[in-house]
Amino acid sequence: DAGVTQSPTHLIKTRGQQVTLRCSPKSGHDTVSWYQQALGQGPQFIFQYYEEEERQRGNFPDRFSGHQFPNYSSELNVNALLLGDSALYLCASSLGRGTGELFFGEGSRLTVL
Amino acid sequence: GNSVTQMEGPVTLSEEAFLTINCTYTATGYPSLFWYVQYPGEGLQLLLKATKADDKGSNKGFEATYRKETTSFHLEKGSVQVSDSAVYFCALSSVYNQGGKLIFGQGTELSVKP
Repeated sequence: DAGVTQSPTHLIKTRGQQVTLRCSPKSGHDTVSWYQQALGQGPQFIFQYYEEEERQRGNFPDRFSGHQFPNYSSELNVNALLLGDSALYLCASSLGRGTGELFFGEGSRLTVL
Repeated sequence: GNSVTQMEGPVTLSEEAFLTINCTYTATGYPSLFWYVQYPGEGLQLLLKATKADDKGSNKGFEATYRKETTSFHLEKGSVQVSDSAVYFCALSSVYNQGGKLIFGQGTELSVKP
């Protein structure tokens, strides 16, 4: 049973560029949440997707956007990258929107130069 | 707003020592509380959880009790092993947020020496 898979695992971008990160949820899960984890910090909630719609959003600017596909996989897009966007981006999946029992992927490490 | 505060690390212990990692929270209502663990090079894994006051979550020898009166959820283990070396995150999920939105503490790094 495949867990949550994310791609790419590492990437380097320059300021002003755009990036797309991808996530496949654990088999049977229909809800995907994205988190940003800065070095030495706890993850911070970006947004959650369920039934192909953004259902909740954290305190992140509109430069951060996402999408969920009919097969429940998801993308996180970040436009106009800033140095401060350098972080580990974590995808988490769950069945439904409740309980808080999330299954996390290993993350995509983004470095912005 | 809701928040989670953990004791700062790193915490360094010898094998078989007793572990306590403190976690306190601020939240409206009655949140669910969690401990997640992040082993080197891996994603976060749910270690244990408690959904109401006085509940005790336990897993792999770790325990934590939901204390509403002190708004705490301290993680304990009676005898740590080298394999327990990881970063531990305390988190809460507010009843007013419909799942998926966890609020994490800053993490506590644990290093266990042989």
